[in-house]
Amino acid sequence: SQQGEEDPQALSIQEGENATMNCSYKTSINNLQWYRQNSGRGLVHLILIRSNEREKHSGRLRVTLDTSKKSSSLLITASRAADTASYFCATDGPDRGSTLGRLYFGRGTQLTVWP
Amino acid sequence: DGGITQSPKYLFRKEGQNVTLSCEQNLNHDAMYWYRQDPGQGLRLIYYSQIVNDFQKGDIAEGYSVSREKKESFPLTVTSAQKNPTAFYLCASSRDRGMDQPQHFGDGTRLSIL
Repeated sequence: SQQGEEDPQALSIQEGENATMNCSYKTSINNLQWYRQNSGRGLVHLILIRSNEREKHSGRLRVTLDTSKKSSSLLITASRAADTASYFCATDGPDRGSTLGRLYFGRGTQLTVWP
Repeated sequence: DGGITQSPKYLFRKEGQNVTLSCEQNLNHDAMYWYRQDPGQGLRLIYYSQIVNDFQKGDIAEGYSVSREKKESFPLTVTSAQKNPTAFYLCASSRDRGMDQPQHFGDGTRLSIL
């Protein structure tokens, strides 16, 4: 079962433009995380935002969380060709007890940044 | 450098054969995970382990088996019962089973059927 769904599935922009990706989820969460995956590689953790936070920044990344709408967005400012990758959101979902710690990943957004 | 090492990078399986994918971490993490990634499907959890000598089934455990005899190692066996094993397999770890732990990933093993 997948908790998060990213939108759009694919995004193509020019270098210097901003890229915005959205994630919607279904149940209550404690935190939401964003990961990046370069082609043929493992995922790399980008940022974690807790349910009591509304916005978080890390370098050129800005993440927002709206728990009332069960949605999050990842903004990459001044995109570079090196930002080309797939981006995934992951939530901890409603699990408690023995399943605490597992994450639910969405299908990802494929971002292409053209030089 | 601390990290997660998966091997081999590419693996081929014959019909009826069991194959084992290796995952080793030197991050001193308690929790480890195995995911399967198919095109357009995102990551699906196969098995996870929150402590040595303990593991739980994820969403797609049928046809797979794991062991966790050592903290640093979490091998995944793809058995002959898994009829569609062709996929990209990712191993991950986190410090513990806490709610706010990021996961650290290896670079994956791509498994194909001969």
